[in-house]
Amino acid sequence: GAVVSQHPSRVICKSGTSVKIECRSLDFQATTMFWYRQFPKKSLMLMATSNEGSKATYEQGVEKDKFLINHASLTLSTLTVTSAHPEDSSFYICSANPPGQAYNSPLHFGNGTRLTVT
Amino acid sequence: QKEVEQNSGPLSVPEGAIASLNCTYSDRGSQSFFWYRQYSGKSPELIMSIYSNGDKEDGRFTAQLNKASQYVSLLIRDSQPSDSATYLCAVIGAQKLVFGQGTRLTINP
Repeated sequence: GAVVSQHPSRVICKSGTSVKIECRSLDFQATTMFWYRQFPKKSLMLMATSNEGSKATYEQGVEKDKFLINHASLTLSTLTVTSAHPEDSSFYICSANPPGQAYNSPLHFGNGTRLTVT
Repeated sequence: QKEVEQNSGPLSVPEGAIASLNCTYSDRGSQSFFWYRQYSGKSPELIMSIYSNGDKEDGRFTAQLNKASQYVSLLIRDSQPSDSATYLCAVIGAQKLVFGQGTRLTINP
């Protein structure tokens, strides 16, 4: 149980374009989802907490106008990288937990999206 | 001071030996601690969780927690080449999961 699906797994886009990444909880409803970014040989850094039906909470230093997060349903959160630049190239990973487990349990991760901006 | 710190390695261990991975954290109020394994290009996968002081064993893995010293470790017994990966220590603090930078472990046949 507690499967998180992420799509696409890989995407290549040109500089200046926007890319949307989807994160779905397949067998549970997630009021909260988390978006992480990982640069090569670095750890996962939390970008934002996605809250169903309300605005996302962004971590310090993460531009909310560049990384748009929408959590319109209990099973889907999307991250849109707007006006992508080569420095946005990274591994983006979403995660979620079933209700009641959001803040004291290990997270279930999606398979990640490798974004390459050329 | 980083919230969660690990020795980035690389740590090289001969096959069959014990691999010891260490982690310290800064938030004294943290209550939940996890070890994840991450293969190159893949998402992290949970291998151990620990919530109280002492040792917790699961197969070849043993997690150790010392809240007074703000220290958590992972021991891997009878190391196998398939254990070669990056191991991430993670701590829940302020209602979010914070990761260390990871330790790259290589098991040499």
